[in-house]
Order: sequence, then C-alpha cells, then structure tokens
Amino acid sequence: AQSVTQPDIHITVSEGASLELRCNYSYGATPYLFWYVQSPGQGLQLLLKYFSGDTLVQGIKGFEAEFKRSQSSFNLRKPSVHWSDAAEYFCAVGSNNAGNMLTFGGGTRLMVKP
Amino acid sequence: GAVVSQHPSRVICKSGTSVKIECRSLDFQATTMFWYRQFPKQSLMLMATSNEGSKATYEQGVEKDKFLINHASLTLSTLTVTSAHPEDSSFYICSAKVGGRDTEAFFGQGTRLTVV
Repeated sequence: AQSVTQPDIHITVSEGASLELRCNYSYGATPYLFWYVQSPGQGLQLLLKYFSGDTLVQGIKGFEAEFKRSQSSFNLRKPSVHWSDAAEYFCAVGSNNAGNMLTFGGGTRLMVKP
Repeated sequence: GAVVSQHPSRVICKSGTSVKIECRSLDFQATTMFWYRQFPKQSLMLMATSNEGSKATYEQGVEKDKFLINHASLTLSTLTVTSAHPEDSSFYICSAKVGGRDTEAFFGQGTRLTVV
C-alpha cells in the first residue's frame, strides 16, 4: 500500500526566507508525486507534479521539488517566501495506472512572519 | 488547465435529510472521478472512485449505502449523503481525470457540509 508522510505539521518562516517542506513516500514502483496547496475553505491547487524524467520539477508560484528515489523523498522548495504563500500544503502519491487515485500526506501548515 | 466545478460550495441540512453534491468537469470528459473527505485540520481521505457508467469502488470503512455515488455521464458525478447526521459534517472534495497514464486529476473547490 502506498503512503505519504509529511513530518512537519506546522512551519513558520519569515517573509523573504527560503522554504523547504518535507515529504517522504512509500510505494512499490515508480510513483507519481504531487504537491498541492490549499487555502482555508478552498479546494486544492496543483503546484507541481512528477511523473518521470528530470528529477527536479519546476512548478507554479516559484516552487520546485526534487524527486530522490534513494531517499523516497519529494521535498518542496521555494527560495524566497511571500506572505501570500501562507496555506496548507499537501504532498500526494499516485499509482502509475489509469486510475491514479491519490494518497495524501497529513499536510504542512505554513505560516509566514512579516 | 481543466476546470472542475463542485456545487454547492456550502450546505447546511437538518439531521436525517439527504444532501446531493455535484461534481462537473466543465471542459473535458472525465472517465474517472474521485471523492475525498477532509475533516478539520486533517488530510484528505479517499472515499470512493467512480468510473463513468459503472458502480463506484468504495474505500474500506466507507458505507456505500450512506454515501451514494452516481457517475452517469462523462462530465458529472454526484455524491448523495443519505440520512445525514452531525458526524457527517465535513469538507467533501471531488477530482476528475481523463483516463490513461501520465495524466493528472483536477480538483473541485470543495463542499462544506454542516449537519445540524
């Protein structure tokens, strides 16, 4: 069974500082990996995804993530955080078949200090 | 990108009544739709997977008779919470995708259900 762990429940960073959100997954084959952002009371917005190819993936809003198979990780990074980045971030893993249902991590709540 | 619309965005209903939530893919045909449930400050948990024209596949622990899912067309899936109780209050989110490998699912904006 696939699973996703986001070790950090809350993270607070200062505006302009760099950010890294951790994600570790467990999956028997090559996973499909995703990062989503959710603002309060809203749905999910896809930040980026990894299916295959280059292990460093660029996403929207200046985010990037790196797939490291040896570490079973897919950490999300941003070099300079903006106050509008404060939200809940979810890492998810999907199976590489036509169904592709997602298993989500527990989420990391990002707070940004002015 | 593709748009998935969920309706209503918020609903309050009385205990014992049924509530229907719609999930529509507006600009693509979704062969597969997923329904998730999210409790406050928690992650999303998959409830069921539905393929157009066939019965939904429910995750373990999800009551199929309570959460009725219908995927009658390639652009519409509905989730009906029957005989709702306060413990059914939650945030319900659908996602939709086109079949095939290397395709992502697109999420609706979610429905906040409050049962009083």
